[in-house]
Amino acid sequence: AIQMTQSPSSLSASVGDRVTITCRASQGIRSDLDWYQQKPGKAPKLLIYEASTLQSGVPSRFSGSGSGTDFTLTISSLQPEDFATYYCLQDYNYPRTFGQGTKVEVK
Amino acid sequence: EVQLLESGGGLVQPGGSLRLSCAASGFTFSNCALSWVRQAPGKGLEWVSSISRTTGITFYVDSVKGRFTISRDNSRNTVYLQMNSLRVEDTAVYYCARHSGTTSSPFDYWGQGTLVTVSS
Repeated sequence: AIQMTQSPSSLSASVGDRVTITCRASQGIRSDLDWYQQKPGKAPKLLIYEASTLQSGVPSRFSGSGSGTDFTLTISSLQPEDFATYYCLQDYNYPRTFGQGTKVEVK
Repeated sequence: EVQLLESGGGLVQPGGSLRLSCAASGFTFSNCALSWVRQAPGKGLEWVSSISRTTGITFYVDSVKGRFTISRDNSRNTVYLQMNSLRVEDTAVYYCARHSGTTSSPFDYWGQGTLVTVSS
């Protein structure tokens, strides 16, 4: 199974900060990577698919980049509603595998 | 409006069985693959199983192979997860997730989840 490693596992940031989360795959996965946001007690929400395509309705402050093994999720200016946990997911093959998550907390 | 509504969770003893259901509405059910994803208390997300749109092709994470069975009824707009020989480590919130198309596509809609607790 492809291993997905996210970093950092948590970070503290302030409203307005630029935030970057990385995800590394244990083998090349082309651009077959999604990013999800999850708030406590809620279901995950799709933010970005195919590494860089913004899901409909997601604010443009979210962006994704990368291909092969290294990927990045960037929030250009953190908003209060963005404090949450973020997961990457490879959909290159089965079994699908998630990263372990990155919790974005208030500084 | 796309909706996915899970049901069937609860408390079960180790070795027991449960069947989860996910009733879908607001879209053409047979156009989308479906999956189950779980989250143990305080832990991250784990993909469990997926089923294709109409051919019935299925996929499972190794830890549930031979114990869990995913199925769908396109006439009832419902996907199921039959869980047998349950273990304590299967305790989690189980989410139903819709793929935007085939089993290769992302999960664009999720249900609210149903809690499965395996304990004696």
